[in-house]
Amino acid sequence: SQQGEEDPQALSIQEGENATMNCSYKTSINNLQWYRQNSGRGLVHLILIRSNEREKHSGRLRVTLDTSKKSSSLLITASRAADTASYFCFMADSWGKLQFGAGTQVVVTP
Amino acid sequence: DSGVTQTPKHLITATGQRVTLRCSPRSGDLSVYWYQQSLDQGLQFLIQYYNGEERAKGNILERFSAQQFPDLHSELNLSSLELGDSALYFCASSVDSLNEAFFGQGTRLTVV
Repeated sequence: SQQGEEDPQALSIQEGENATMNCSYKTSINNLQWYRQNSGRGLVHLILIRSNEREKHSGRLRVTLDTSKKSSSLLITASRAADTASYFCFMADSWGKLQFGAGTQVVVTP
Repeated sequence: DSGVTQTPKHLITATGQRVTLRCSPRSGDLSVYWYQQSLDQGLQFLIQYYNGEERAKGNILERFSAQQFPDLHSELNLSSLELGDSALYFCASSVDSLNEAFFGQGTRLTVV
């Protein structure tokens, strides 16, 4: 079910910089969800964007969705050391089946 | 706290043994998902239940089985354990497949 792809695989930035990661998928989706995982811990839900939405904001997070290109991006603005984590995108298709990417590892250095 | 409870948090067992992992979904959530996360294979979707019925199946081995009970809690049974089964096992729940899924903290299984 891992039919999404995330890019880049890893990203290293300094505090205060923005981090952008992308997610692409293959089939039609109903919604796309972004999650954060700190090392060895559970996945924390960040944001859900539905197929009829193009952009969504939550605090320092901005998610875009381009269904024509079957891709989404997650932007973290003004990054902090606490943003160091792996970020995953999950996609639910119309039947509710989930696809997800391999994740992007983000390291934010002080 | 996501509201999804997984027990136990840690489990160490020997090869060939059988274990049961338990998941209590958030109140009101009908969908339960199981995932395996290991260093070599990353995150793998195992199986999904909705209101007691199997909804989707992923890379779940025949040695593994799961069920969702009438009270909506779910159990993942792993048998004839091998060293390669050592991983973090996550459970997630959602109202249905089309809404946010919330993850538990996982059960770390170590097979020795």
